[in-house]
Amino acid sequence: QVQLQESGPGLVKPSETLSLTCSVSGGSISGSYWSWIRQPPGKGLEWIGYIYYTGSTNYNPSLKSRVTMSVDTSKNQFSLNLRSVTAADTAVYYCARYTPIGSGGNYFDYWGQGTLVTVSS
Amino acid sequence: DIQMTQSPSSLSASVGDRVTITCRASQNIRNYLNWYQQKPGKAPKLLIYAASSLQSGVPSRFSGSGSGTDFTLTISSLQPEDFATYYCQQSYSTPHTFGQGTKLEIK
Repeated sequence: QVQLQESGPGLVKPSETLSLTCSVSGGSISGSYWSWIRQPPGKGLEWIGYIYYTGSTNYNPSLKSRVTMSVDTSKNQFSLNLRSVTAADTAVYYCARYTPIGSGGNYFDYWGQGTLVTVSS
Repeated sequence: DIQMTQSPSSLSASVGDRVTITCRASQNIRNYLNWYQQKPGKAPKLLIYAASSLQSGVPSRFSGSGSGTDFTLTISSLQPEDFATYYCQQSYSTPHTFGQGTKLEIK
């Protein structure tokens, strides 16, 4: 059973960089796609982007200028950096496995528990 | 971006009721539509993928249908553990987008 666990600071100052890591257990990070999704308090879900284990990425254009994702296969981890944060970036951040369907499309089948990141001075 | 619109935004129902939630896409997404259930303080859980395929371990009272722009999630007989918020999500193109959610509450 694949398990994901997010880690990182729960409080980030405005204009600084939000950095989170997702640790994968119960399976290898290799061979799969991995994604970040966020949810502002009381609101809906926003897809941030995905990274393949090789390092190739696809980001949401609304965040692309501020987002970098990376993967460390030796540690079975992948990471999110979001630069120049504002209060609007306050959200629960989830990591998830992003699985292609053979006939087309994809889904998020395994999720971390989520971590709340608050942007405030 | 493809806009996903769910209706209703909230719904009150009783245990044993049959419930249907609708999701409409702003353009044709074929059958690239997934449904998730989210309980308070928890991560979303995949219920249905590719519009009508039941994820492993999900009870058979959940079903999905639709293609193109209009989709439905049906719960045939509500159980107490089904009271939650439900989201649709398109995987036809990036950026992947979610509906705004439908909160299912106990009547």
